[in-house]
Parts: sequence; structure tokens; C-alpha cells
Amino acid sequence: EIVMTQSPATLSVSPGERATLSCRASQSVSSNLAWYQQKPGQAPRLIIYGASTRATGIPARFSGSGSGTEFTLTISSLQSEDFAVYYCQQYKNWPPWTFGQGTKVEIK
Amino acid sequence: EVQLVESGGGLVQPGGSLRLSCAASGFTFSSYSMNWVRQAPGKGLEWVSYISTGSGTIYYADSVKGRFTISRDNAKNSLYLQMTSLRAEDTAVYYCARAASSTSSYNWFDPWGQGTLVTVSS
Repeated sequence: EIVMTQSPATLSVSPGERATLSCRASQSVSSNLAWYQQKPGQAPRLIIYGASTRATGIPARFSGSGSGTEFTLTISSLQSEDFAVYYCQQYKNWPPWTFGQGTKVEIK
Repeated sequence: EVQLVESGGGLVQPGGSLRLSCAASGFTFSSYSMNWVRQAPGKGLEWVSYISTGSGTIYYADSVKGRFTISRDNAKNSLYLQMTSLRAEDTAVYYCARAASSTSSYNWFDPWGQGTLVTVSS
């Protein structure tokens, strides 16, 4: 089973600032990495797939990078609607499909 | 519009059973594999089960193997999760999630339903 580890657990950022979230896989997942955004009381929403491809309707301020075992989600200029929990997920080796434990982006 | 709507959650006693349903619309349900993912209160996401388009391939997380059964009815555009021998640690919001691609074996999940809460407590 591939273990996904996200850091930090909580990120405090002011609106308009850049946020950088990290995700590490316990073994290579190539580019088979997705990022999801989840707001309180809502289902997860796909943000990024293929490590760097934005999902439909996702603003350009969201970008993903990395391959192998190290991945980054960057939000270039945080808007109020971006404060949420973000999860990474690998879909290279399955089952199981595995998620990171999440990074909460909160208002500083 | 692609939509997934779960139902069937509720309060159940330890050792009890519950059947969740997920109604799909807005896409050709029979062409996509499907998944159940759960989220315990205040916790992260945990994949639970997978079913292929024709139900020929099924997988379970070790935590539910032998207790949960996934199934689908392509004629009714519906996905199911039969849960038995429920434990307190099964308490979670259960989401159905579609494989994003109908053609690739490497699949992220998109979209997700709104979830249904299962509470296992006496």
C-alpha cells in the first residue's frame, strides 16, 4: 500500500498571499496524483489530476507540480473561497486508492 | 449535469446492517467504474470499495472486507453498499464517487456525491 503524507497539517495564510502545500508518496506514483478541495459540510471537489492538470472550472491560481514521490499544490493568491482542506490521492497502484491526511488552509 | 445522490444512511446499533444507495444521472452509468469513500467525523478520506462497469471486478479495503458488499444495477443507474456487522468505527459520511475516465485504468475520482451519514451507536 502506498502511503501519502501531506505537510503541513495546517497552513495559516492571509488573503492574497501564496499557499504551498506538499504531498509525498511512499513510493513512486509517476504523475498519477490528484488533489481535492473540501469545504465544511461539502463533498470533496477535484482540483488537479495528473499531478498538474487543472480540472474543469478550476481557476488558474491553482497549480500542481511534481512527479514520482514529491508533489506540490500552489495557490498563487488566496481568495476567501479557497480556505478549505486539501487532500492528495494516488491512483497509480490500486487497490487501495490512498489519500493524504489533508492540509487545512486557514485564514491568518 | 453529472450527479450522484446517496441515500440510506442513519443510526444503527453495533452489529446491525444498513444498505446505502447512490443514484447516478447525467452520464452513461454503465460505462464507468464506481467507488465508495468514507470520512469519519473530523477525519480524512478513506477509500472503501470499488466495482467495475460490469461488476466483474470488485475490491474492498481491508477494514471492511467480509462485512461490506458493493453492487450495482446498470439498468437502474444505481450503486449500492450493503453493510453488515457494523462497528462504531464505521461511523462516517459515505460518499459514492465515479471514476473520472471510462477508458483509463488509472483513475481519480470525479464527481462525488454529497454523502450520507452512517452512525453506529447503541
